[in-house]
Parts: sequence; C-alpha cells; structure tokens
Amino acid sequence: EIVLTQSPGTLSLSPGERATLSCRASQSVSNTYLAWYQQKRGQAPRLLIYGASSRATGIPDRFSGSGSGTDFTLTISRLEPEDSAVYYCQQYGITFGPGTKVDIK
Amino acid sequence: EVQLVESGGDLVQPGRSLRLSCKTSGFTFGDYAMGWVRQAPGKGLEWVGFIRSEAYGGTIEYAASVKGRFTISRDDSKSIAYLHMSSLKTEDTARYYCTRAIAAAGTPSYFDYWGQGTLVTVSS
Repeated sequence: EIVLTQSPGTLSLSPGERATLSCRASQSVSNTYLAWYQQKRGQAPRLLIYGASSRATGIPDRFSGSGSGTDFTLTISRLEPEDSAVYYCQQYGITFGPGTKVDIK
Repeated sequence: EVQLVESGGDLVQPGRSLRLSCKTSGFTFGDYAMGWVRQAPGKGLEWVGFIRSEAYGGTIEYAASVKGRFTISRDDSKSIAYLHMSSLKTEDTARYYCTRAIAAAGTPSYFDYWGQGTLVTVSS
C-alpha cells in the first residue's frame, strides 16, 4: 500500500507570497494518477490538479503542480485570501495524504 | 451542469445498517466510475471505495477499513450510486461524499466532481 506524506502540516503566509506544498509517496506513483484537491472550511473538496500538473477546469493559473516518481509539489504563485484551505494530494484515485493547511495572514 | 446529491445520512446505533444514495445529473452516468470518500469530524479525507463503469465490468474496490461491511452499487438506468453500510461502528461516523471518478484504462485516477456530502453518525 502506498502511503502519502504531506509537508508542511501548516503554512502561514501573507497575500501575494508564494506557497510550496509537498507530497511524498512511499513508492513511485505514475504522474497520471497524482491529483491535488482544495477543501475550504465547511465545503466539499474541489479538484485542483490532475495528472500531477494539469489544472482542472476553472482553476486559476496561479495554481501549478509538478513532480514525478515519489516527490510532487503544488505551488500557489501569488496567494490570495480565498486560498485559505486544506490541500490534499491523492494517488491512484485511492489514498489521500493527510493534508496541508494554508493560512493567509 | 454536473450535479451529485447525496442523501440517506442519519444517526444510527452501532451494529445497524444504513444506505446512502447519490443522485446524479448533467452527464452520462453509465460512462463513469463513481467513488465514495468520507471525512470524520475534524479529520482528513479517507477513500471508501469505487465502482467502475459497466464498460470495465462494474467491478468494485474497497478500503480495508470497510471491506466486508460496506457495499457499493449503481443503477445506470436511474443515474444513482449507492453505498450500503452494515455492521456500523462508531468510527464510521463521518460525512460521506459521492464523487465522479475519471479513470485511465479502467483505474480511477482522480475525482473531478463531488457532492456536498451526507452526515452519518454512529452512536448509541
């Protein structure tokens, strides 16, 4: 069973700053099967990135995904107040990481 | 517009059963795999299982934590997915989300649409 680890647990940044979120897998994951989700408080999760680097429909281009093998990254280039949320990575449509909470100061 | 609407969540006693429904619209239901994801209060996301489309045999995969107790099914004629939960435990308390799965060669790779979830509370 592949285990996903996300870091940091919490990220506190100011609007306009760059956020870098890490997702590490215990075994190699095909890029096709790596996704990122955003979950705002009280809301259902929303797909951000699929195939490790493709943005889902309607997702602003300040969100980008990269990586391969066991190391993947979600980058938010210029944080906006509405980006405050928990971000989860997922592999093979199955395992989720524990999430990274992004707080906007 | 793609819509997924869950229903059936309730307060139930340990050991009892409950069936959740996910009514969908806005897409050709039979062409897609469907998944269930749950989230315990204040916790992260946990995959529950998914059912492939009939094109891939309608086969089902379950998380180890629910295997043998939960059953996923689908009715393509009604565009509804179901999650039947039996022998419920207190640790099954969670919000249950229905999801549409995008599959690569029959293997779900991500969930592109989510319902708002339905709350299941297991308590005596």
